[in-house]
Amino acid sequence: NAGVTQTPKFRVLKTGQSMTLLCAQDMNHEYMYWYRQDPGMGLRLIHYSVGEGTTAKGEVPDGYNVSRLKKQNFLLGLESAAPSQTSVYFCASSPGGSGNTIYFGEGSWLTVV
Amino acid sequence: RKEVEQDPGPFNVPEGATVAFNCTYSNSASQSFFWYRQDCRKEPKLLMSVYSSGNEDGRFTAQLNRASQYISLLIRDSKLSDSATYLCVVNIADSWGKLQFGAGTQVVVTP
Repeated sequence: NAGVTQTPKFRVLKTGQSMTLLCAQDMNHEYMYWYRQDPGMGLRLIHYSVGEGTTAKGEVPDGYNVSRLKKQNFLLGLESAAPSQTSVYFCASSPGGSGNTIYFGEGSWLTVV
Repeated sequence: RKEVEQDPGPFNVPEGATVAFNCTYSNSASQSFFWYRQDCRKEPKLLMSVYSSGNEDGRFTAQLNRASQYISLLIRDSKLSDSATYLCVVNIADSWGKLQFGAGTQVVVTP
């Protein structure tokens, strides 16, 4: 039972490079999310999607773009990486609606040097 | 002011003891409340939802105080395996499923 799968798990980027994080879920969930987690800050929402073909900005969207071309996939792109984007990135999905459990992927550790 | 605030700890707890900690939230329109557990370098996982009347799940008890806008988690008979960071999570009513996360309370259970 895969649940939410993120790739890659670890990546080191140079400042200015671009990359894409891939998230895939096999639970047929409508909602998908990208969070970043930094020490002492808690999880902060970057972007989210409430269904295939939709995306919306979260709390900290600057410097990131997303796409949800297929229901099961949610891609997070960094067009020009900055050291401030060094973080742990978690993808998550949920059936949607208040009260529903949100399921997380195992995280992607990104370092920008 | 953060939407959801937690004491970061750590709470150092002898094995077998009871530990309790709170989480305060600022938005009075908050509808749903959860406790998630996060182990070091792992993803958060749902521990339990928090219901208005309070609820138990084994050794874990969660309470909600809407008047004072806080939720609490109590762990009885602490086990070494309870060592983790506990995240308080709040769902705002009109947020389309967006959750507000606290930064977490670290619990360390010692032998």
